[in-house]
Amino acid sequence: QKEVEQDPGPLSVPEGAIVSLNCTYSNSAFQYFMWYRQYSRKGPELLMYTYSSGNKEDGRFTAQVDKSSKYISLFIRDSQPSDSATYLCAMSSLTGAGSYQLTFGKGTKLSVIP
Amino acid sequence: GAVVSQHPSWVICKSGTSVKIECRSLDFQATTMFWYRQFPKQSLMLMATSNEGSKATYEQGVEKDKFLINHASLTLSTLTVTSAHPEDSSFYICSASVTAGYEQYFGPGTRLTVT
Repeated sequence: QKEVEQDPGPLSVPEGAIVSLNCTYSNSAFQYFMWYRQYSRKGPELLMYTYSSGNKEDGRFTAQVDKSSKYISLFIRDSQPSDSATYLCAMSSLTGAGSYQLTFGKGTKLSVIP
Repeated sequence: GAVVSQHPSWVICKSGTSVKIECRSLDFQATTMFWYRQFPKQSLMLMATSNEGSKATYEQGVEKDKFLINHASLTLSTLTVTSAHPEDSSFYICSASVTAGYEQYFGPGTRLTVT
């Protein structure tokens, strides 16, 4: 079992729909939970990060963490064609050297159809 | 804020030659920089972690003599792929952090093609 599982999709939704993206994980040592957006042939862009269980909202995006279930979600409201990208979940754990290491999911490719 | 640049964005080289990729944090000082590689339709795989002025820490399976990392300053890290082979062709992405890594900002990536 991989440490981070993410359905690669692809996921196709009509413009204006609510999008739900999810990841599960197995490593209890993960402390911070991030969502990145990656456009084709570009580097990932940090969207949101959270530390504790619960919800965090930023504009049309809501990140949700449930540590007891080892499950995180990203919701996108009123989705736009410009949201079409690959969304990567990432989780960090502290290494023995004192820095944090990110473990990424495979990414879910999202297409928002006008 | 938190802009990271990479140069070059795309490079083609012949097998057996070496290629240097630069990663710069433009508007902040990065205590830690990371190098990843990403194959098509795959996730990012961490290659190494580097702190300014010290040797990089390589992940298991990554050859440190092949992928030379120099973190000369708080705003610059370089990755040199030595004696490149076609199987080294990939998308190389760096990231920079001021928080020892839990919040990382990524560069735009460098596409390396070895012929």
